[in-house]
Amino acid sequence: ILNVEQSPQSLHVQEGDSTNFTCSFPSSNFYALHWYRWETAKSPEALFVMTLNGDEKKKGRISATLNTKEGYSYLYIKGSQPEDSATYLCAFRGGNTGKLIFGQGTTLQVKP
Amino acid sequence: NAGVTQTPKFQVLKTGQSMTLQCAQDMNHNSMYWYRQDPGMGLRLIYYSASEGTTDKGEVPNGYNVSRLNKREFSLRLESAAPSQTSVYFCASTGQGNEQFFGPGTRLTVL
Repeated sequence: ILNVEQSPQSLHVQEGDSTNFTCSFPSSNFYALHWYRWETAKSPEALFVMTLNGDEKKKGRISATLNTKEGYSYLYIKGSQPEDSATYLCAFRGGNTGKLIFGQGTTLQVKP
Repeated sequence: NAGVTQTPKFQVLKTGQSMTLQCAQDMNHNSMYWYRQDPGMGLRLIYYSASEGTTDKGEVPNGYNVSRLNKREFSLRLESAAPSQTSVYFCASTGQGNEQFFGPGTRLTVL
């Protein structure tokens, strides 16, 4: 059984704070690492798909890094806003199976 | 483009009843997936289909069957619903960019 772990499970920050969370995944047979943003009562939306060791992706105030050799990825949010409140999911894809294994998510609450 | 659509949005079943959850995508994607989402468990893969005519078990396939009717449609069937199948079900599809696009979800309650 492949484990994808995310930490912390939840996070409360003040508006304007910068924050980051971690996704740990198997370091062998890596194909891709996905990050999703999931707002309450909506569907998950893709943020990044990362495939290369050392990859860094950025979308607005959100960025992510990838270390496939040690099996972790960080998601950073700079200057958090209340609209950033959501659950952030990472998902590991191994080999070329097409199957994603999701972590349990980090739930971020940004207080105005 | 409607993206990924699912029907119904809500359903209440009695134990032992059967039903089919429908999913369709209009993005010409080859791969389609069914997940269930339970509190504290994240998203767990039930079945997936890499292409029309093929299906493969995921992490939690017991109690479910699937049909990849054509490239657009991928249905999930509960033959004899159990309370343990109370969950939110998401369908998704993947394009060449490897991003998964999710449907709006079906909230199922089994009494």
